[in-house]
Amino acid sequence: QKEVEQNSGPLSVPEGAIASLNCTYSDRVSQSFFWYRQYSGKSPELIMSIYSNGDKEDGRFTAQLNKASQYVSLLIRDSQPSDSATYLCAVYSGGYQKVTFGTGTKLQVIP
Amino acid sequence: DAGITQSPRYKITETGRQVTLMCHQTWSHSYMFWYRQDLGHGLRLIYYSAAADITDKGEVPDGYVVSRSKTENFPLTLESATRSQTSVYFCASSRDRGQNTEAFFGQGTRLTVV
Repeated sequence: QKEVEQNSGPLSVPEGAIASLNCTYSDRVSQSFFWYRQYSGKSPELIMSIYSNGDKEDGRFTAQLNKASQYVSLLIRDSQPSDSATYLCAVYSGGYQKVTFGTGTKLQVIP
Repeated sequence: DAGITQSPRYKITETGRQVTLMCHQTWSHSYMFWYRQDLGHGLRLIYYSAAADITDKGEVPDGYVVSRSKTENFPLTLESATRSQTSVYFCASSRDRGQNTEAFFGQGTRLTVV
């Protein structure tokens, strides 16, 4: 079982819709959770971080964390074609800088 | 410019050659990392460093060597390149450990071993 799992997609949503990206993780002691966006041929860039259960909103982005279910999600409201990218979930499980990345979900926003 | 930069951006090398990928950051971040990204595997940690002269292995260290004599530089050397090391390599840095582990990535180096 992979430590951090994401559906590879592609996830296709129409412009203006809500995109929902999901991530599950296996290590119960995981402490910090991150969402990175990666455009094709580019490097990952951090868009959201979340540390405690519940929702965290930043503009059109909402990260949701449920540690009991070992589940973290990213919602993108009013999706735009410019949101088309691969979204990487990353989980910090303590220790010496151990951050594990999922393989990413490719999002396509259709105009 | 401030940030994290990698060089070269693209490199083609032959099997058995030694090649060094450079990484330089201007934030004075303590932590630096080398990842490789391959289809189906995502980002995998090769080596990391907590400070100058402190380095440690990550998930896939075999065939790679790192050094960190200065805080701002973290070169990655492939001692004898193999085709399986064809990949995109990302250097990253972060200010702290613990919860403040947001990493900032360089532009990447696309390495092809022929």
